[in-house]
Amino acid sequence: EPEVTQTPSHQVTQMGQEVILRCVPISNHLYFYWYRQILGQKVEFLVSFYNNEISEKSEIFDDQFSVERPDGSNFTLKIRSTKLEDSAMYFCASSETSGNTIYFGEGSWLTVV
Amino acid sequence: AQSVTQPDIHITVSEGASLELRCNYSYGATPYLFWYVQSPGQGLQLLLKYFSGDTLVQGIKGFEAEFKRSQSSFNLRKPSVHWSDAAEYFCAVGAGSGGYQKVTFGIGTKLQVIP
Repeated sequence: EPEVTQTPSHQVTQMGQEVILRCVPISNHLYFYWYRQILGQKVEFLVSFYNNEISEKSEIFDDQFSVERPDGSNFTLKIRSTKLEDSAMYFCASSETSGNTIYFGEGSWLTVV
Repeated sequence: AQSVTQPDIHITVSEGASLELRCNYSYGATPYLFWYVQSPGQGLQLLLKYFSGDTLVQGIKGFEAEFKRSQSSFNLRKPSVHWSDAAEYFCAVGAGSGGYQKVTFGIGTKLQVIP
């Protein structure tokens, strides 16, 4: 079964450093998303992306965050200058043009020290 | 805005016993409803979903859920729990159209299975 893949599975970074989390969505999907889950808290929506632009973003997704689809397969989340509170599991997801279901990746666990 | 309530943060059941995980949602229109499962250190796996039609939906791993509009509920059930079902379960409501979905999750229910 096709799946969303994410790299790295775990990254430790120092506060203030830039981080890029990578995702390969399911190949025929056109909507892409990032969610995050701070330890012990809800999974929260960050941003959605369609047709090479952000379609919706949450309050969490401030100027420190950006998303990009640099080629035909990857979808990336960049955190420009990480803060301690950015430590979380980040989930990439994708959905196709119909079917109303989004599929999540295994997550990238980011630890900011 | 949509919201999801999972009133049970932690549930313990004996292996072989039946299971029901509660979920209540708030959404202005007909909801898209999901249950996801997350094993420790793993991603979110879709168990089942409801969009329309039959209010009792079957999912993977022997799970089912029933949509009750009058109660704004979408409870997850399994007749006989296996030790491998120990995980965290998330109810979610989706808002969107066509393929686009913005999903709001509940806080999750952690299931412990004892021998």
